Amino acid sequence: TQLLEQSPQFLSIQEGENLTVYCNSSSVFSSLQWYRQEPGEGPVLLVTVVTGGEVKKLKRLTFQFGDARKDSSLHITAAQPGDTGLYLCAGARGAQKLVFGQGTRLTINP
Amino acid sequence: DAGVIQSPRHEVTEMGQEVTLRCKPISGHDYLFWYRQTMMRGLELLIYFNNNVPIDDSGMPEDRFSAKMPNASFSTLKIQPSEPRDSAVYFCASSLLAGQDTQYFGPGTRLTVL
Repeated sequence: TQLLEQSPQFLSIQEGENLTVYCNSSSVFSSLQWYRQEPGEGPVLLVTVVTGGEVKKLKRLTFQFGDARKDSSLHITAAQPGDTGLYLCAGARGAQKLVFGQGTRLTINP
Repeated sequence: DAGVIQSPRHEVTEMGQEVTLRCKPISGHDYLFWYRQTMMRGLELLIYFNNNVPIDDSGMPEDRFSAKMPNASFSTLKIQPSEPRDSAVYFCASSLLAGQDTQYFGPGTRLTVL
């Protein structure tokens, strides 16, 4: 059973377009993280959200944690080829281990 | 800091052979995690250590897999005997704390079992 469901699994869009990817669960998490992974490398943390309803911005990337702390979204404005990669969400319950979603593989075409 | 170091980066072996993957965590990090990543199953936690002690090995697929952390700067993941279905990318990660703390991943070991 996948505790964190990410959608879409694959997304290919043109440079300059906007996009949103989702991370959903039936479970409550104390915090949620987003990682980006490029080919041949390990995942790298982008952001951690800990409060229900929290919104964090990282340049053109906007992350939101759901009010009930069961879901999150990542919105990218004016996507660029450098945004291409695998985006992973990961949830934590207190001091326990992280649970990762399956990931969204994003391709931005020039 | 050099980050998390893994070796080898690539390993090709034949079914039935023993495989040993190595990891050096970031100095000062108390937690070390071993993950496996495949297209079908995504990123799966195999085992994690706190201060060199295994805390949760519920993700280890079966008895063919074993992991050790003899000291704070070194860990191994061993597969014996290896099978084709073990083919995957294996990542090691370390962090100061568990839970929501940032995990720093190594570059991974791509394992192919023929």
